Amino acid sequence: DQQVKQNSPSLSVQEGRISILNCDYTNSMFDYFLWYKKYPAEGPTFLISISSIKDKNEDGRFTVFLNKSAKHLSLHIVPSQPGDSAVYFCAGTEDEKLTFGTGTRLTIIP
Amino acid sequence: DAGVTQSPTHLIKTRGQQVTLRCSPKSGHDTVSWYQQALGQGPQFIFQYYEEEERQRGNFPDRFSGHQFPNYSSELNVNALLLGDSALYLCASIPGGPFGTGELFFGEGSRLTVL
Repeated sequence: DQQVKQNSPSLSVQEGRISILNCDYTNSMFDYFLWYKKYPAEGPTFLISISSIKDKNEDGRFTVFLNKSAKHLSLHIVPSQPGDSAVYFCAGTEDEKLTFGTGTRLTIIP
Repeated sequence: DAGVTQSPTHLIKTRGQQVTLRCSPKSGHDTVSWYQQALGQGPQFIFQYYEEEERQRGNFPDRFSGHQFPNYSSELNVNALLLGDSALYLCASIPGGPFGTGELFFGEGSRLTVL
């Protein structure tokens, strides 16, 4: 049972444009949703989170949107920069335990 | 301020052997969780340690065991290694106090290859 799904394994975006990464979930008990970024040979790095009682959280170039009725969240990166090229994981948290999706590889094209 | 540190970074074992992985949490963090990331997959929760006890466990067999020491550092032990245990093992620490935004701090991981 895959509780968190990232249906796009990869995404390519032109530098300066908007990157939109999507995530669906099935577990209604998640209390936070998080996005992590991972470079090769490094551990995941926290990017941004949103409480399950909110619908939007913004931090600089990164905005996360949560649609609870659709059980869907998305991460918007504006403007996209070459350093944003990485694998992005969304995750839901319940009792301090993270359940991750399978990741989306974002490539920013200069 | 050192972040989460893990050792060793890479290791190779053969089927049936046993392995011990080590983790030192970020300063001020008292809770440690372990995750397994297989190739092409997201990290999967193995277990969590707090106050030297296993507080939660994911869907992993008893071959996977752990320990937390009084200084909050932790070990992950895997017995009777299988080829399918080949993965990146990630340690994550959580600060003491209320679980704020849900953020976990990850180490760089230990890459285990089972031959």
